[in-house]
Parts: sequence; C-alpha cells; structure tokens
Amino acid sequence: NAGVTQTPKFRVLKTGQSMTLLCAQDMNHEYMYWYRQDPGMGLRLIHYSVGEGTTAKGEVPDGYNVSRLKKQNFLLGLESAAPSQTSVYFCASNKDRGVGELFFGEGSRLTVL
Amino acid sequence: AQKVTQAQTEISVVEKEDVTLDCVYETRDTTYYLFWYKQPPSGELVFLIRRNSFDEQNEISGRYSWNFQKSTSSFNFTITASQVVDSAVYFCALSPGSAAGNKLTFGGGTRVLVKP
Repeated sequence: NAGVTQTPKFRVLKTGQSMTLLCAQDMNHEYMYWYRQDPGMGLRLIHYSVGEGTTAKGEVPDGYNVSRLKKQNFLLGLESAAPSQTSVYFCASNKDRGVGELFFGEGSRLTVL
Repeated sequence: AQKVTQAQTEISVVEKEDVTLDCVYETRDTTYYLFWYKQPPSGELVFLIRRNSFDEQNEISGRYSWNFQKSTSSFNFTITASQVVDSAVYFCALSPGSAAGNKLTFGGGTRVLVKP
C-alpha cells in the first residue's frame, strides 16, 4: 500500500533556486493538500485542490505555486527559494466532500541556505 | 477565523502515568470537526480520532480517551497508563464543516516524552 508518496524526501537549496515537490496518491482521492510544518507552529495549509485541474490558496500561499494536472498528483513549486521556506512539507489527501480522515505523506525536509 | 491552542508545549511523564493533553479551539461555525493526530519520531502523521460538533459523547479507544466539551470549546486527550511508544508530538486540529475539502487548522502540538 503506497498511499501518499512525496518526493524528494530531503533537499537543500540555495537562495533563489527553484524546485518542485511531487505528491502522488494511489487512493483515487479527490482532495489534496500541501502543508508546511515549522517548530511550535503545527502544520499550516499552503494550497489545496478539490479536484483535477483545480487549486486554491490556503493560509500561507505566498512564494509557492501548485498544479493538479492529474488527479493522482499534486505538485508544489518554489520559484525562488528563500530561507524562510526552510521547513518540512507534508502532502495529504482525502476521499470526498465529507470531512474525513486526511492521509499524510511522510514529509519532505527542505533547507534553503 | 479558526484557531487551535495547545498550551502545553512539552509534557514529560514516567511510564504508567496518565497524561492529559489540552486543546482549546475557536470557531464561528456551528458545524465543525475536531481531530487528533500523532506524530512519532519517525515523522509521519497518524490519525487518532475525528469528532463532529454535534457529538459531545466522550470516546475511549484502548488506553486513549477524549473529552469534548462544547461549552468550554475544549477537546482534551488522555493517555492512560502511558508507555514509551506513546512518546510523540500530538496535534489537535479543527476543520469547518461547511467547506469543501478538509482544511485543517492545527494547534502548535504537544510533545509527550514517556520515560521508562
């Protein structure tokens, strides 16, 4: 059971570089989310998607872009990385409109120097 | 705006002691959902429980129990007879019931350290 898979697991970037985090889920879930986790602040929602081809802003969207071209994939992009984006990023998904359990990936640790 | 506060940042107990984690939330919604997640040292997030705002029954699952009190906007979590494997960060989270999807607002987390 793969569930929610994130790649890469670790990445170090220099300020100004760009990168993309990939989230893939094999559960045919409609909804997908990107969160970031910072010490003492819990997880904060960056962007989310309610279906293929749709995206919406969450609580902390600035500096990030997302795309959901395929139902199973949700990409998070950093066009010009900043040290403030050093964090652990979690992707999650859930099945339908109902407020059910979120299934989380294992996280991707990003360091921006 | 929604807000979840976990006032305890870290709790240290000796094995077999009970430990209670506090969670206080703020929301203007009449329908909402509350969650607890566990994050062990390995880093993944493990779902523990979901409770909707219309169900104030307390729940027990093995050594875990939850006390939902709408009057005080609290959803506290108790681990009875703690074990070393309970060492983790625990997050309380809140979701609006009316919105599409499940946009969780998380508390800052409480780190529980269970010493043998």
